[in-house]
Amino acid sequence: DQQVKQNSPSLSVQEGRISILNCDYTNSMFDYFLWYKKYPAEGPTFLISISSIKDKNEDGRFTVFLNKSAKHLSLHIVPSQPGDSAVYFCAASGAGSSNTGKLIFGQGTTLQVKP
Amino acid sequence: GAGVSQSPSNKVTEKGKDVELRCDPISGHTALYWYRQSLGQGLEFLIYFQGNSAPDKSGLPSDRFSAERTGGSVSTLTIQRTQQEDSAVYLCASSLVSPGLGYNEQFFGPGTRLTVL
Repeated sequence: DQQVKQNSPSLSVQEGRISILNCDYTNSMFDYFLWYKKYPAEGPTFLISISSIKDKNEDGRFTVFLNKSAKHLSLHIVPSQPGDSAVYFCAASGAGSSNTGKLIFGQGTTLQVKP
Repeated sequence: GAGVSQSPSNKVTEKGKDVELRCDPISGHTALYWYRQSLGQGLEFLIYFQGNSAPDKSGLPSDRFSAERTGGSVSTLTIQRTQQEDSAVYLCASSLVSPGLGYNEQFFGPGTRLTVL
């Protein structure tokens, strides 16, 4: 059962425009949601996170929106730059003393930003 | 400072052979995780170590998979009698404090690409 889903395997945008990456989840017990970015032959690197008690978190060009009622989150990149071209993974984590902090990942979306 | 390192970066083996994958976490990080990414898939949790606590092995796909963490630092993931479906990129991550207190950022190594022929 895929608890975190990224239904778009790829996305292509023009430099300077907005990139919107989407993610859906099924488990309402998730407390944190994260986005990781991955370049080829490298490990994923943390990009931005959001707590389930928030609906928006912004960090520079990156903003994550959370809609708990729809169990949906999205990552907005504005403006998009060619260096943003990478695979973006959505991930979720539970919370509480029994939680190990393991991340449940989506399948990833490959973003290509064209100059 | 030094990040998470993994070795080897690539491993090609024959079906039925055993393999060992190594992870050196960031110094001082108490939590260590193993994930794997199969072709076209997301990252799949395998196992988690935290200090001297019993590891969370709930993600290990079969009893052919095992892992240990010696001295609270280096970890080794062992796959016995490898099968072709074990082919994947195996990623190790570490984090600073117990995640039971909330989310703590996990830092990933570059991974080991395992190919089972």
